[in-house]
Amino acid sequence: EPEVTQTPSHQVTQMGQEVILRCVPISNHLYFYWYRQILGQKVEFLVSFYNNEISEKSEIFDDQFSVERPDGSNFTLKIRSTKLEDSAMYFCASKVRGIRDNEQFFGPGTRLTVL
Amino acid sequence: AQSVTQLGSHVSVSEGALVLLRCNYSSSVPPYLFWYVQYPNQGLQLLLKYTTGATLVKGINGFEAEFKKSETSFHLTKPSAHMSDAAEYFCAVSTNTGNQFYFGTGTSLTVIP
Repeated sequence: EPEVTQTPSHQVTQMGQEVILRCVPISNHLYFYWYRQILGQKVEFLVSFYNNEISEKSEIFDDQFSVERPDGSNFTLKIRSTKLEDSAMYFCASKVRGIRDNEQFFGPGTRLTVL
Repeated sequence: AQSVTQLGSHVSVSEGALVLLRCNYSSSVPPYLFWYVQYPNQGLQLLLKYTTGATLVKGINGFEAEFKKSETSFHLTKPSAHMSDAAEYFCAVSTNTGNQFYFGTGTSLTVIP
């Protein structure tokens, strides 16, 4: 069964460093998402991406964040200068079509630890 | 605006007992509601969803949920817990565009042998 994959599973970085989290969505999906979950808190929406541009983003997704689909398979989340509060589990998701009742398929997550 | 509240961050049940995980929502548009399960070191897997139509929806692994508009609830149930049901369960509501999911804080289910 097709699935969303994410690499790495765990990333440790120093505060101020740039990190890139990678995701491979399901191949025929057209809509892509990033969420994060700070330990003990809710899963929070960061950004949605369609047709090579951001379609929606939350207040969390500030100028330190960017997303890219550099080729036909990968979908990346970049944090330019990490802060301690960026430590969280980051989930990538994809959806085949943009209609509301379609489910989003989630990857296993990347745990980011900022020291 | 949409939001989800899951009462009980930890629920323990005995094997074979009823599982009841609570979810209440707030939505400014007719809600589309989802339950996801997360097993250790895995992604979020869809259990079931309510969009329109029948208010009692059945999902995988014997789970079901009932949409009750008057109570703004979408509680998840399973008649008989199995050890393999031990996991984290998330309730979510989607925005009217379908692009954002608002999740609850999750409920960790423990099944006692």
